[in-house]
Amino acid sequence: DIVMTQSPDSLAVSLGERATINCKSSQSILYSSKNTNYLAWYQQKPGQPPKLLIYWASSRESGVPDRFSGSGSGTDFTLTITSLQAEDVAVYYCQQYYDTLWTFGQGTKVEIK
Amino acid sequence: EVQLVESGGGLVKPGGSLRLSCAVSGFTFSDAWMTWVRQAPGKGLEWLGRVKSKSDGGAIDYAAPVKGRFTISRDDSKNTLFLQMNSLKIEDTAIYYCTTVTGSTIQWGQGTLVTVSS
Repeated sequence: DIVMTQSPDSLAVSLGERATINCKSSQSILYSSKNTNYLAWYQQKPGQPPKLLIYWASSRESGVPDRFSGSGSGTDFTLTITSLQAEDVAVYYCQQYYDTLWTFGQGTKVEIK
Repeated sequence: EVQLVESGGGLVKPGGSLRLSCAVSGFTFSDAWMTWVRQAPGKGLEWLGRVKSKSDGGAIDYAAPVKGRFTISRDDSKNTLFLQMNSLKIEDTAIYYCTTVTGSTIQWGQGTLVTVSS
């Protein structure tokens, strides 16, 4: 199984400041022939299902604010929230869908400092 | 608009069975590879299994913790995905989601809660 490891487990950021979450996969999730990383980022608030923010590592889902961005390739990926808003308080997960057996990071809790 | 709607959750005793359904609309279900994911209370997300489309062979794969106890099936005539859960354990308590990749995006249902308790 591909192991996804997020860091940090939690972080507190001031309103308007940048939040950065890292995700590392135990093996490359870059599909070379398509030059596509099968990596997604989700936001989950209490009592709600995961909400897709980013797919293919850096493509923003329709309707997602442009303060959310994804980057990285191969085994190392980053989700950046450029100017944290109060409504961004949530748990964030990375997920690989390169393999048949999808795996998720353990989650990163983002709070307001 | 794409919609995935899970149903069938509830309270069941250890050792019991439950059948979940996922009704879909807004895309060609028969072409879709469908996946079940669950989330235990306060925990992360866990992939349970996936069924390919019949045109791609219809193969089904399961995660180790549920293999032999859970069965995924589909009824393309009814645009519905199923998860038959047998020999349920307390640790199967979770919200169960159906998901699929449609084009470039990943769609999720709202989930259905399964509680295994005596």
